[in-house]
Amino acid sequence: EVQLVESGGGLVKPGGSLRLSCAASGLTLTNAWMTWVRQAPGMGLECVGRIKSKSAGGTMDYAAPVKGRFTISRDDSKNTMYLQMNGLKIEDTAVYYCYAGGLGSWGQGTLVTVSS
Amino acid sequence: DVVMTQSPLSLPVTLGQPASISCRSSQSLVSSDGNTYLNWFQQRPGQSPRRLIYRVSNRDSGAPDRFSGSGSGTDFTLKISRVEAEDAGVYYCVQVTQWPYTFGQGTKLEI
Repeated sequence: EVQLVESGGGLVKPGGSLRLSCAASGLTLTNAWMTWVRQAPGMGLECVGRIKSKSAGGTMDYAAPVKGRFTISRDDSKNTMYLQMNGLKIEDTAVYYCYAGGLGSWGQGTLVTVSS
Repeated sequence: DVVMTQSPLSLPVTLGQPASISCRSSQSLVSSDGNTYLNWFQQRPGQSPRRLIYRVSNRDSGAPDRFSGSGSGTDFTLKISRVEAEDAGVYYCVQVTQWPYTFGQGTKLEI
């Protein structure tokens, strides 16, 4: 059974940084196309960024609102994906999910609150 | 970016009755490999989304067989043959043919 567990969320001031983690079990992240998806309070779903599988080049893509501020990485030894978020803005407040596209598996999400 | 438009945004239904949600994309979702990468998700209150349908019409394991997906090109539909109480929630279509992946606004199914 695939399990994705996000962590690292919390309260941060505008302009601050956070690093989110997505630890996987039952799935080898190097073989998966992984996506970070966020959901602002009471709102819909928005893709933030993705990392391709190693066989597909392992490259990352970002949505326009976060490009240049957010960075996705992966630690194969820990089977964990990360989302480094810098220059956080109030509008980045959301629950952040990791999603394994091939299997359709989601984590439980971690809440990021950007507020002064 | 591909714009995904769902209708209706709110869908009151009666238990045991069918329900249908439409999703339209601003451009064709047929990929260069010939596949159409249109998925459907269900999100119950307070829960993470759950994928029900992938590539237009393939039901995920664990998704009840009362859910079905159809469509092609730019027009897609999610159907529930007989609505049950546990189906209450918000349903999203999402295209993963091209980056950035984009979601519809969501359809709230109210029972």
